[in-house]
Amino acid sequence: GAVVSQHPSWVICKSGTSVKIECRSLDFQATTMFWYRQFPKQSLMLMATSNEGSKATYEQGVEKDKFLINHASLTLSTLTVTSAHPEDSSFYICSASPAGVGKQFFGPGTRLTVL
Amino acid sequence: GIQVEQSPPDLILQEGANSTLRCNFSDSVNNLQWFHQNPWGQLINLFYIPSGTKQNGRLSATTVATERYSLLYISSSQTTDSGVYFCAVGGAAGNKLTFGGGTRVLVKP
Repeated sequence: GAVVSQHPSWVICKSGTSVKIECRSLDFQATTMFWYRQFPKQSLMLMATSNEGSKATYEQGVEKDKFLINHASLTLSTLTVTSAHPEDSSFYICSASPAGVGKQFFGPGTRLTVL
Repeated sequence: GIQVEQSPPDLILQEGANSTLRCNFSDSVNNLQWFHQNPWGQLINLFYIPSGTKQNGRLSATTVATERYSLLYISSSQTTDSGVYFCAVGGAAGNKLTFGGGTRVLVKP
């Protein structure tokens, strides 16, 4: 149980386009999901906390207008990278935890390459 | 915010060897998880261990919350153990996690 999926697994886009990444909890409901970014050979950095039915909370230094987060339901959060540029190329990972369960479960990640 | 430091940053092992990875954190935590990141980037949950000791096969972990550290033990290492091991901590169950810098492990045959 406690499976988190992401779609797409990888995406290549041209500079200036927008890209949407979906994060789904497949067998549980999640009022809160988290989005992380990981650059090559580095650790994971939290970008934002996604709250169902309310605005996301962004970490310091993360542009909220650049990385739009929508938590439309208890099983789906989306991250949209708007007007993507090469420096946005990275590995994006989401996580969630079932209510009352301490540990978080992570999606398989989405590798974004902006040309 | 909480600071998380992992050591060593890199570890090269001969197959069959044992090793210990360490995670130090700067504040009280209610959530501590160990992960193995595979070559495709997937984070594999190893342990949820805010305190105490757990074992799963050749892996075991111990967290001493009062002294703010956790240890991950790998016994009889295998080449499939290669990858990056992350420790992540959180101030409350289900809350956001802060990751350490990771330990990159290479097990040679």
